[in-house]
Amino acid sequence: AQSVTQPDIHITVSEGASLELRCNYSYGATPYLFWYVQSPGQGLQLLLKYFSGDTLVQGIKGFEAEFKRSQSSFNLRKPSVHWSDAAEYFCAVGAGSNYQLIWGAGTKLIIKP
Amino acid sequence: KAGVTQTPRYLIKTRGQQVTLSCSPISGHRSVSWYQQTPGQGLQFLFEYFSETQRNKGNFPGRFSGRQFSNSRSEMNVSTLELGDSALYLCASSFDRGHDGYTFGSGTRLTVV
Repeated sequence: AQSVTQPDIHITVSEGASLELRCNYSYGATPYLFWYVQSPGQGLQLLLKYFSGDTLVQGIKGFEAEFKRSQSSFNLRKPSVHWSDAAEYFCAVGAGSNYQLIWGAGTKLIIKP
Repeated sequence: KAGVTQTPRYLIKTRGQQVTLSCSPISGHRSVSWYQQTPGQGLQFLFEYFSETQRNKGNFPGRFSGRQFSNSRSEMNVSTLELGDSALYLCASSFDRGHDGYTFGSGTRLTVV
């Protein structure tokens, strides 16, 4: 069955430090891949997406993600985090004939001043 | 352009009552999906409507239902509310199958007492 794993429930990073959030998926073919961010009490905002082509994709707010087919991963990165990046981050995979999105459990990012 | 609008933002209901939540998608978007988000279960897919037809459905009991109108606005209804239905209900819209990513509303926070 298709699945998405975000192995880190919480990550704490100092302001100004680099960030990498992990996402692994299980699917037979190359799916559509997304990262979303959710601030407390709000809906989700699309950060970036991958369908095909260049495996390094740029998103909003200075985020990027790299698709690695051999590792079935789509990790999210940012070179220098800001306090405003504190939020929950969700990885999602769109796959299958009915294209239902499958969501990871989310990673909560905490920023240390 | 206006984003996805969900009303009401907050709702308190009593067990056994029913509730209707509303979602107005981005103009031109024909697909509307509904999600339930709770701390324990994360994001769970309820259903998706496209051009007034239910296209996908998640694993929720029949108490959860929805519909979409000709102007793409959507409603979801929960009958015979249970305490466990307390959650943030999120609506997301896309032009078609969400290949470009979904745009989410801010959600309706439902509390069942």
